Amino acid sequence: QSALTQPRSVSGSPGQSVTISCTGTSSDIGAYNYVSWYQHYPGKAPKLLIYDVSQRPSGVPDRFSASKSGNTASLTIAGLQAEDEADYFCSSFAGPWLHYVFGPGTEVTV
Amino acid sequence: QVQLVQSGPEVIEPGTSVKLSCKTSGFTLTSHYVHWVRPAPGQGLEWMGCITPTGDTVYAQKLQGRVIIIRDTFTNTVFMELTSLTSEDTAIYYCAREAAPANKNFDYWGQGTLVTVSS
Repeated sequence: QSALTQPRSVSGSPGQSVTISCTGTSSDIGAYNYVSWYQHYPGKAPKLLIYDVSQRPSGVPDRFSASKSGNTASLTIAGLQAEDEADYFCSSFAGPWLHYVFGPGTEVTV
Repeated sequence: QVQLVQSGPEVIEPGTSVKLSCKTSGFTLTSHYVHWVRPAPGQGLEWMGCITPTGDTVYAQKLQGRVIIIRDTFTNTVFMELTSLTSEDTAIYYCAREAAPANKNFDYWGQGTLVTVSS
């Protein structure tokens, strides 16, 4: 069982929006505002999409947005494009002992 | 331009060790943490450990005693050695840079190194 829980897959039509949930516990997502999201194409290096719950690094389109409520974080991809087909995984800082926990990834199909 | 380039695939016999490299460029190891992660069987990624800007290391409790992370600041390369390998260690291993000390996210990643543990 993953430290963080994500749906295995989500799908949407071009132009639609999809939301991916990432559920943790009061020891990780619920305790820290250090949730990050990554886009991962098979065989490639993961790419940082969101950090500190809802911040986008420069160069990441504003179609990608994220938030957190309690122990659950969410990533929304608006205006789906074919290039958004990838795996998306979340991560949270989990304190000085566990350090970082990750979700198993969600496959987005457009 | 920040880059992390990892060494090539490895096939390793059970019970032995593997040492992977992560050659960095575009930043200094004395300014950033570098972490190692790998997929856990049937789960998401597992954090393995990191080396700090000062050269200290922090390891996941689960891997304590089996993982060693070192660095060479002259070649800007970070190494991760994992010992006493079993089939459960078969995975793609990634190095990743922490955006800045205490930023708690990974802004650049290596391409991954496949380690296959097999006799």
